[in-house]
Amino acid sequence: EIVMTQSPATLSVSPGERATLSCRASQSISTNLAWYQQKPGQAPRLLISDASTRATGIPARFSGSGSGTEFTLTINSLQPEDFALYYCQQYNTWPPKTFGQGTKLETK
Amino acid sequence: EVQLVESGGGLVQPGRSLRLSCAASGFRFDDYAIHWVRQAPGKGLEWVSGISWNGHTNDYADSVRGRFTISRDNAKKSVFLHMNSLRPEDTALYYCAKVSGFLSGPLDYWGQGTLVTVSS
Repeated sequence: EIVMTQSPATLSVSPGERATLSCRASQSISTNLAWYQQKPGQAPRLLISDASTRATGIPARFSGSGSGTEFTLTINSLQPEDFALYYCQQYNTWPPKTFGQGTKLETK
Repeated sequence: EVQLVESGGGLVQPGRSLRLSCAASGFRFDDYAIHWVRQAPGKGLEWVSGISWNGHTNDYADSVRGRFTISRDNAKKSVFLHMNSLRPEDTALYYCAKVSGFLSGPLDYWGQGTLVTVSS
């Protein structure tokens, strides 16, 4: 089973700054990786698919990169609404069981 | 507009059963897989089960295999999660989510979830 590991568990960044979140897969998943954002009391929302493709309506300040086992979600010029939980998920293998444990992005 | 609406959650005693429903609208339902993902209070996301566009392929998390059964009715644009032998650790908010493909892929739309509480 592929294990997804996100780091850090909590990231403290000031509004207007850049946030860099990491996700590592225990084996290669090519670019079959998604990033989700979850705000308190809300369902998760797809941000990025195929490691780097923004979902419909996602602002350009969100970008994804990586392939194989190492992936990064970068959020430039953090806005107040960006402080939330972020999860990665692989879908390279069926079933796509594994989500990362999440990174909490909080205001510094 | 794509919409997924879960229902069927509630308070249930350990060992009992529950059936969750996910009603879909706003897209060609029988072209896409649907998955269930749950989130225990204060915890992260856990993939539970998924079913292909035609219902011929499905699978389960190890934690629910043998107790939960997923099915779909394309005529009714609905997916169901039959949960038997419920345990306290099954307590969670259960989301259904549309897959961007016919079997697997990113989960591009999510419902708002239905809460299942397993307690005596």
